[in-house]
Amino acid sequence: QSVLTQPPSASGTPGQRVTISCSGSRSNIGSNTVNWYQQLPGTAPKLLIYSNNQRPSGVPDRFSGSKSGTSASLAISGLQSEDEADYYCAAWDDSLNGLWVFGGGTKLTVL
Amino acid sequence: EVQLVESGGGLVQPGKSLKLSCAASGFTFSGSDMHWVRQAPGKGLEWVGLIRTKAKRYATAYAASVKGRFTISRDDSRNTAYLQVNSLKTEDTAVYYCTRHLRACSGGSCYAWFDPWGQGTLVTVSS
Repeated sequence: QSVLTQPPSASGTPGQRVTISCSGSRSNIGSNTVNWYQQLPGTAPKLLIYSNNQRPSGVPDRFSGSKSGTSASLAISGLQSEDEADYYCAAWDDSLNGLWVFGGGTKLTVL
Repeated sequence: EVQLVESGGGLVQPGKSLKLSCAASGFTFSGSDMHWVRQAPGKGLEWVGLIRTKAKRYATAYAASVKGRFTISRDDSRNTAYLQVNSLKTEDTAVYYCTRHLRACSGGSCYAWFDPWGQGTLVTVSS
């Protein structure tokens, strides 16, 4: 069981807006920034969002992140077929001498 | 181009050991903390551990699930990080990724993230 909680699946049709939630606690999301990673089928994870809402160079502005309290969200607008992937949230956890924790991942299906 | 390439995975019997490598290029490896993250077949990502730089005395930290069995090291002269995995269990079967730690500070707060990731190397523990 993952320390950060994500819905196992999400779906949308092309052009729609979808959001993926990530719930944690005061020791992780409540105290530290959240990062999001995209894992396309059969590939390694790729950084999508860092520091809650920052997009690395090359990531389309259709992707956005937010954080409030002990929860975070990833929003994808103008959904495209190539967005079909697994999405993971991650954060540093201050408890237990510190370690990194991930969400269980959300599989996004573009219908 | 910033790149990480893992190697050393394979099929190994329970109780045996393996040493994974992560070769870095395109950035100042000696100035970067490095992490290992694994992914069991069909499962999510699990942080394994990290090694800090020489300036931070090569400090290491590990997930509870691997502490005492896994050891992370680095050779800055070879731009390579290593993951020594001992006393392997079937539940250690996974793709093992290495990734670079990046950090920035702004307005008195600091934040960190992983980028890039290597392609991963598969470790299969089975008799």
